[in-house]
Amino acid sequence: GEQVEQRPPHLSVREGDSAVIICTYTDPNSYYFFWYKQEPGAGLQLLMKVFSSTEINEGQGFTVLLNKKDKQLSLNLTAAHPGDSAVYFCAVYQGGRALIFGTGTTVSVSP
Amino acid sequence: EAAVTQSPRSKVAVTGGKVTLSCHQTNNHDYMYWYRQDTGHGLRLIHYSYVADSTEKGDIPDGYKASRPSQENFSLILELASLSQTAVYFCASSARTGVYEQYFGPGTRLTVL
Repeated sequence: GEQVEQRPPHLSVREGDSAVIICTYTDPNSYYFFWYKQEPGAGLQLLMKVFSSTEINEGQGFTVLLNKKDKQLSLNLTAAHPGDSAVYFCAVYQGGRALIFGTGTTVSVSP
Repeated sequence: EAAVTQSPRSKVAVTGGKVTLSCHQTNNHDYMYWYRQDTGHGLRLIHYSYVADSTEKGDIPDGYKASRPSQENFSLILELASLSQTAVYFCASSARTGVYEQYFGPGTRLTVL
């Protein structure tokens, strides 16, 4: 079945720096991709969804890149601030059942 | 806004006891899910449901039962709680059509002693 590898498991960055999280999936038939943010003691909040082919989506303070050729999904936090401190999960949907989640990346942003 | 609520938010149970975790959604979604989160791991799917009165096994169903009495409600039942079931449990819902993003509840922290 689908496997999703997420790295790194931990990221410590200074405020204003950028941070990149990468997910690699195995099933080429995967076609919907998601990034979730989990703040301490809270549930998962949907950050961004991306679909087929190479795509770049920009949100507030982050950029998501999907490269289907290499089966990679990345989240780039641009100019990180303390409010970005959280655990980030990628998730992949390939049809038929629930999402397959990566193992998570804990991001700590220090002033 | 889409809403998924869970109760209780925190629970302490004794080994061998019965535990029921409840989930309620007001999204009018057909699909509902139960996940387990352990420290250092991602989310693992326990049970899910496509429609009321029907449930499906996920990746780690052993030791858990699920019940979907209505579209809005989905319960996770631990008939004989064990120490290894100490974890945070999340419920989620998603629409039948569209891009299948899931909306999560705030989680229930279960401690089995």
